[in-house]
Amino acid sequence: NAGVTQTPKFRVLKTGQSMTLLCAQDMNHEYMYWYRQDPGMGLRLIHYSVGEGTTAKGEVPDGYNVSRLKKQNFLLGLESAAPSQTSVYFCASARYEQFFGPGTRLTVL
Amino acid sequence: QQQVKQSPQSLIVQKGGIPIINCAYENTAFDYFPWYQQFPGKGPALLIAIRPDVSEKKEGRFTISFNKSAKQFSLHIMDSQPGDSATYFCAANSGGGADGLTFGKGTHLIIQP
Repeated sequence: NAGVTQTPKFRVLKTGQSMTLLCAQDMNHEYMYWYRQDPGMGLRLIHYSVGEGTTAKGEVPDGYNVSRLKKQNFLLGLESAAPSQTSVYFCASARYEQFFGPGTRLTVL
Repeated sequence: QQQVKQSPQSLIVQKGGIPIINCAYENTAFDYFPWYQQFPGKGPALLIAIRPDVSEKKEGRFTISFNKSAKQFSLHIMDSQPGDSATYFCAANSGGGADGLTFGKGTHLIIQP
């Protein structure tokens, strides 16, 4: 039982490049979330999903897209990366309490 | 608009002392208030959580106090240990758990030996 896993752990992008972050959970949770964590800012919700095939915007959705084609996976996409998207990204899944993955540290140059 | 305000930003306490971290919220629809602990390079881990139908909840050395009328809640760590040194986040949400969490900005806690 791995819980919540995230791929990759680290990534460096150049401005304008695209990438996809993958989140996987093996707890059969309905709800999944993407947050970003910046120094002194806490965690802020980007997008979330309440079930397979559904997504919704969070507090800071601009510049990101998401997809939930399978219940166990939640993908976060950056179509054209910007330096302001340099952050640590956390995925979480929940039935009631939210369980977080280990994070992806993304740097955009 | 920051909906959950957390204080202090940082806190240093001697071993065995009782650090207290406070949070205040604005949205009266919030009905679930968890605390998360985060070590460097790791994801946040759920520590303890409370719902507004109780004023206090204890789990081991960790206690949440909740004041619904003041819209405030706090975390107390009894008999603090150096291993408790971490960043602590309060959070809140509503909607039965499906909604994302609104987090405070975090408190960096150091427990000195």
